[in-house]
Amino acid sequence: NAGVMQNPRHLVRRRGQEARLRCSPMKGHSHVYWYRQLPEEGLKFMVYLQKENIIDESGMPKERFSAEFPKEGPSILRIQQVVRGDSAAYFCASSPLVQVQETQYFGPGTRLLVL
Amino acid sequence: AQSVTQLDSQVPVFEEAPVELRCNYSSSVSVYLFWYVQYPNQGLQLLLKYLSGSTLVESINGFEAEFNKSQTSFHLRKPSVHISDTAEYFCAVSPRRGSQGNLIFGKGTKLSVKP
Repeated sequence: NAGVMQNPRHLVRRRGQEARLRCSPMKGHSHVYWYRQLPEEGLKFMVYLQKENIIDESGMPKERFSAEFPKEGPSILRIQQVVRGDSAAYFCASSPLVQVQETQYFGPGTRLLVL
Repeated sequence: AQSVTQLDSQVPVFEEAPVELRCNYSSSVSVYLFWYVQYPNQGLQLLLKYLSGSTLVESINGFEAEFNKSQTSFHLRKPSVHISDTAEYFCAVSPRRGSQGNLIFGKGTKLSVKP
């Protein structure tokens, strides 16, 4: 059973370009969380999705950021018109159930560098 | 709202020495507590968690943490560390109610084990 997969592992973009980060949850998991880790900081929750639904996006910046988890395919975190402050590691986690105490399994992350 | 404080950003220790990584939290509601470990360039892995019952929880690789409600702490300990324990350790909480399961993380403690 493969773990949570994220690609690309490293992404370099110039200011103003778009960044697309992909996350394939573990098999059988229908709940996906995205977190952002800024340098020297802990992970910050961004968004929680179930298949075809955004459940909680309270941690998403109001502009330029969006997320989706379609019926088929990976979850996508999209950042439009990137700025240097978007440089960070973005982690995806998945779980099989919505119960709070259910373990979240993390992917290896995508490290975004904005030049 | 919840917050997590990890007082030590870096902890250097010698191999086979004991170690304690401190974690304090603030919350107006009951929480579940977690410790995650992040090895270089990898995602987070769950180390141990406290959900209910015995306040002392253990991991398979010799770490343990004790939930202290009166001090709102969940310190992580290991009596004898190995070089392979070198990693960054994150304490996290999640409210028992009113949450979709997203985790609130501390800023992390980098454990460096020297020979």
